[in-house]
Amino acid sequence: GQQLNQSPQSMFIQEGEDVSMNCTSSSIFNTWLWYKQDPGEGPVLLIALYKAGELTSNGRLTAQFGITRKDSFLNISASIPSDVGIYFCAGVNTGTASKLTFGTGTRLQVTL
Amino acid sequence: EPEVTQTPSHQVTQMGQEVILRCVPISNHLYFYWYRQILGQKVEFLVSFYNNEISEKSEIFDDQFSVERPDGSNFTLKIRSTKLEDSAMYFCASSLKRQGLREKLFFGSGTQLSVL
Repeated sequence: GQQLNQSPQSMFIQEGEDVSMNCTSSSIFNTWLWYKQDPGEGPVLLIALYKAGELTSNGRLTAQFGITRKDSFLNISASIPSDVGIYFCAGVNTGTASKLTFGTGTRLQVTL
Repeated sequence: EPEVTQTPSHQVTQMGQEVILRCVPISNHLYFYWYRQILGQKVEFLVSFYNNEISEKSEIFDDQFSVERPDGSNFTLKIRSTKLEDSAMYFCASSLKRQGLREKLFFGSGTQLSVL
């Protein structure tokens, strides 16, 4: 099956620092999504990317759809305590419905 | 803001028992999904549902699982005879039909299923 590996697995950063994480796939996806999951909650959509090379921002978050269509990157600028959580990438090859393949997750912890 | 609602938030059951997990998708969404997440692992696709039938299902979604939209608002996942390995957080999700929005899944807060 399709595998999405995220790195790093976890990271501690200082409040105010910028964060970068990435997601690589063993196969091509047509759409990339980034979700954030807080403890005990469902994933919340952050950014959706539809085109190879696309760079999209949502506030302090910026994500890119890799040119090879096998990877994606998420950057968070000026991190704050509420950025704590697990970030998942997800790839989709849209058919009649959207089956998301989720990555392994990056756990972000912010120290004050 | 509209949201996907799941009940119950926690369900404890004995091995071999049937469970039904309930979801109310966002009202104008037409695609419905179930995903699950075993503790500490990634979220995994189970099944997608559109126009009153299953669109796609994973290898996890075997004959013990079924889904139903019994009325215009609810979407249920039934596990007929639970096994220990069915213990997980089960997430319902929904999305719109339109291209470019269909991929944007909105997830509920999940039902934590514990099989003893």
